[in-house]
Amino acid sequence: GAVVSQHPSWVICKSGTSVKIECRSLDFQATTMFWYRQFPKQSLMLMATSNEGSKATYEQGVEKDKFLINHASLTLSTLTVTSAHPEDSSFYICSAAGGADYGYTFGSGTRLTVV
Amino acid sequence: QKEVEQDPGPLSVPEGAIVSLNCTYSNSAFQYFMWYRQYSRKGPELLMYTYSSGNKEDGRFTAQVDKSSKYISLFIRDSQPSDSATYLCAMSKAGSYQLTFGKGTKLSVIP
Repeated sequence: GAVVSQHPSWVICKSGTSVKIECRSLDFQATTMFWYRQFPKQSLMLMATSNEGSKATYEQGVEKDKFLINHASLTLSTLTVTSAHPEDSSFYICSAAGGADYGYTFGSGTRLTVV
Repeated sequence: QKEVEQDPGPLSVPEGAIVSLNCTYSNSAFQYFMWYRQYSRKGPELLMYTYSSGNKEDGRFTAQVDKSSKYISLFIRDSQPSDSATYLCAMSKAGSYQLTFGKGTKLSVIP
């Protein structure tokens, strides 16, 4: 079946530094990838939609200069959290469209802790 | 009113019980309905996907959609401790990949 690999699974960084999270579709080409954020006991909130070779579309309230998304190939999308602050600590999950009958395959998530 | 409402629980049942999980939604544009299972600190994994009103069964899982009432359900028969997880409903509009999720219901199946 379709597999999406997300790396790293967890990361701790200092406040003010940047962190890059990778999302790879391993056995299919993903024309569209999605980035979600999930706070404890909350649902997944869509942050942005990225299409290969074009700029990402951000949801209202998500700072595009803070959460940089690059979808450089059909198998890789990256999310960079720039100048991270403790309030950015969360669980970030990507999903890729194109690998299943109806198109949604999720990565295993990245737990970001900013100290 | 949120587009998708889901009781967050927690819900605790004994092993072997039938579990009923539900979501309501307000936007009639939603056409595709999904149930995901999420274990702690993991990404969601798809359990069921439905399009039309009615029932869809897969092993111990049955998904039910009532578009007229804007209400969807997931039933788990003969629940097992391994079913302990958070269950998220999700839905999307025709022609769109974007999913709107419920808050998730945390389920514990006690041996």
